[in-house]
Amino acid sequence: NAGVTQTPKFRILKIGQSMTLQCTQDMNHNYMYWYRQDPGMGLKLIYYSVGAGITDKGEVPNGYNVSRSTTEDFPLRLELAAPSQTSVYFCASSSPNSPLHFGNGTRLTVT
Amino acid sequence: AQSVTQPDIHITVSEGASLELRCNYSYGATPYLFWYVQSPGQGLQLLLKYFSGDTLVQGIKGFEAEFKRSQSSFNLRKPSVHWSDAAEYFCAVGENNDMRFGAGTRLTVKP
Repeated sequence: NAGVTQTPKFRILKIGQSMTLQCTQDMNHNYMYWYRQDPGMGLKLIYYSVGAGITDKGEVPNGYNVSRSTTEDFPLRLELAAPSQTSVYFCASSSPNSPLHFGNGTRLTVT
Repeated sequence: AQSVTQPDIHITVSEGASLELRCNYSYGATPYLFWYVQSPGQGLQLLLKYFSGDTLVQGIKGFEAEFKRSQSSFNLRKPSVHWSDAAEYFCAVGENNDMRFGAGTRLTVKP
């Protein structure tokens, strides 16, 4: 099993550009999450999904959008990139009330 | 609201020495508690978890943690640190979309 796979690993965006961070999992987990990690801040939840077709906002959703058309995939969309979105993004998945399984992250720089 | 505090931003220990990383939490009910480890450029990997029962839990790589309800703590310990343990360690509390992470403790291991 590959677990949780994120692409790309690195990306540089100019202010105002858009991009989609891809995430897929092969563990048949219902729950999927997007976190951002900033130095000294731990992880902050951006969006989450409890199943296909169901998504909801986390702690820091502004500037992002998600969709969940299948159990496996949970892409994160940045529409108008801003410097404040420079961060490391982690996708994770889990079964209900179980530990999270994380991808290896996407390092995004917005200049 | 639940929260997690890791008081130590950075800890340095000598190889072979014992290790204790501190974690304090604030949570309204009996918490689900976790320790994750993150190596550079990688995602977070679960070390151990506490859901209920025995308050001393064993994890992977020789780590253990003790849940102390009276102190709202869940400290991580290892009797003898190896150079490969150098990484960042995150304590987390909660479940599913209601998971809160500490800011992390960076561990450096001296030869």
